Amino acid sequence: KAGVTQTPRYLIKTRGQQVTLSCSPISGHRSVSWYQQTPGQGLQFLFEYFSETQRNKGNFPGRFSGRQFSNSRSEMNVSTLELGDSALYLCASSQGQWLGYNEQFFGPGTRLTVL
Amino acid sequence: KNEVEQSPQNLTAQEGEFITINCSYSVGISALHWLQQHPGGGIVSLFMLSSGKKKHGRLIATINIQEKHSSLHITASHPRDSAVYICAVRFPLTPSNTGNQFYFGTGTSLTVIP
Repeated sequence: KAGVTQTPRYLIKTRGQQVTLSCSPISGHRSVSWYQQTPGQGLQFLFEYFSETQRNKGNFPGRFSGRQFSNSRSEMNVSTLELGDSALYLCASSQGQWLGYNEQFFGPGTRLTVL
Repeated sequence: KNEVEQSPQNLTAQEGEFITINCSYSVGISALHWLQQHPGGGIVSLFMLSSGKKKHGRLIATINIQEKHSSLHITASHPRDSAVYICAVRFPLTPSNTGNQFYFGTGTSLTVIP
C-alpha cells in the first residue's frame, strides 16, 4: 500500500497570501488529522476529519481551515499568511474514527516558509 | 488543564546503553502514543497504548495509569536510534474540553554515539 502523501513538499509564500496544502491518506483510511510543527511550539494539533466531517479543531485562529473530500483526501488552507505560520505541516491518516485511538501513519510533511 | 511533559529534553548515549525516556501527563487519558522523528521530519508511530506494556524489537513502552506516566525504553541502543522521540496523548472529551484533546510532549532528542 502506498503511504500518506502530501503536496507540495516545499512552499514559499509572502505575508498576506493564502496557501492550500493537500493530503492523500492511505487507501482505506477514512480519518485524517493535521499538525503544525515549529521549533518554538513543537507539534500542535490542527484538525481531525472523519468521513468529510471535522471532528475536532485545535487552538488555532480562523485563518486556518480545512476540509475532507468523499475520497478521504484532505486539504488545509491558511489565509492571510503571517511570518509565524512558517512551519512543517504534517498530516496523518488512521483506520479508526477517532484521533488517538488507532495507530497513525504520517506523511512526509509540507515545509511552508513565509517571507 | 491538559498537559504533557517529557524528560529528558536531550540525551546522549554510547552504543549499547539502555535508554529510558519519560512522559507524564496531567489528567486521565484515553490513549498514549510514542512517535519517532528522524532528521528531515518524517514521523513514525512506534506504539499506541492505554495500559500495560508493549514490546517491539529493542523497544519497550510501558504505561502506569494510576501514576499518569509512561516510559519508552531502548535496549542495546544503536546509532540508528538517534532521533527525536515524542509522546502524544489523547485526553477524553469532557464538557469543559470540547476542543482539542490531542497533545504532544516537547520531544526528547536522542544521540547514540558509536
